Amino acid sequence: EADIYQTPRYLVIGTGKKITLECSQTMGHDKMYWYQQDPGMELHLIHYSYGVNSTEKGDLSSESTVSRIRTEHFPLTLESARPSHTSQYLCASSEGGILKETQYFGPGTRLLVL
Amino acid sequence: AQKITQTQPGMFVQEKEAVTLDCTYDTSDQSYGLFWYKQPSSGEMIFLIYQGSYDEQNATEGRYSLNFQKARKSANLVISASQLGDSAMYFCAMREGFSGGSNYKLTFGKGTLLTVNP
Repeated sequence: EADIYQTPRYLVIGTGKKITLECSQTMGHDKMYWYQQDPGMELHLIHYSYGVNSTEKGDLSSESTVSRIRTEHFPLTLESARPSHTSQYLCASSEGGILKETQYFGPGTRLLVL
Repeated sequence: AQKITQTQPGMFVQEKEAVTLDCTYDTSDQSYGLFWYKQPSSGEMIFLIYQGSYDEQNATEGRYSLNFQKARKSANLVISASQLGDSAMYFCAMREGFSGGSNYKLTFGKGTLLTVNP
C-alpha cells in the first residue's frame, strides 16, 4: 500500500492567483499522475510522469503545469487561477510496469476559485 | 465512444444484502486490466479489486467479487453483506494493453453512487 499525501486538502482562492498543489509519496514509485474530478463525475487524467524529469499531458487539456525533479514529489501549478479551475484534484502513484499495476491515490485537494 | 460505461447513476441496497454494480467496457486489445475503486464522501479513491483479461477465475477480495464476463465485455462488482460504510461512489476503470499505446493510464467510468440503508 502506498502512502501518498496531498496539500492543501482545501483551498479557496481569488481569480488570478498563482497556486501550487503539492503531492508526495513515500514508496519510491516511479509513476505519478494528476487527475481532475468535478463533483459526482468521472476522473480525467491531466498530467502524468514515468520518472524524474519526465512529464506528459493527459487526456484532458489543462492549463496547469507539473514538474518532477524528485521521485517522491509531483507538484501541480496554476499560474493564474480562474473559476473554471474549481474542481477536485487527485494525485496518484504506481510502480511495476505490468498490466495489473495498481494506482494508489492521495486524499485530494478541493479547489474553489472565486 | 465511452470506453467504460456504468449505467447506474445511483443504487440503493438494504444493509446486509448483496448488491451488483454494473460496468461494461470497450476495447480492441486482447490484454487489459479492470479495476474497481471506492470513493467515500471524503474524496479519496480506494482500490478494491482487479481483474486481468486473461484471468480465468473471477477476482475476489473479502466481500468484493468481480463478475467478469469477457464475451459480454462486462465486469460487474458484487458487494456481499452490505454495510453502512459501503455507501460511496464506485468507479470502474480499465487499463488497456501496451499495443494500444495507453501504457499505464487508467480510463474511468462515470461512477455509481451506492447508498446502503439501515
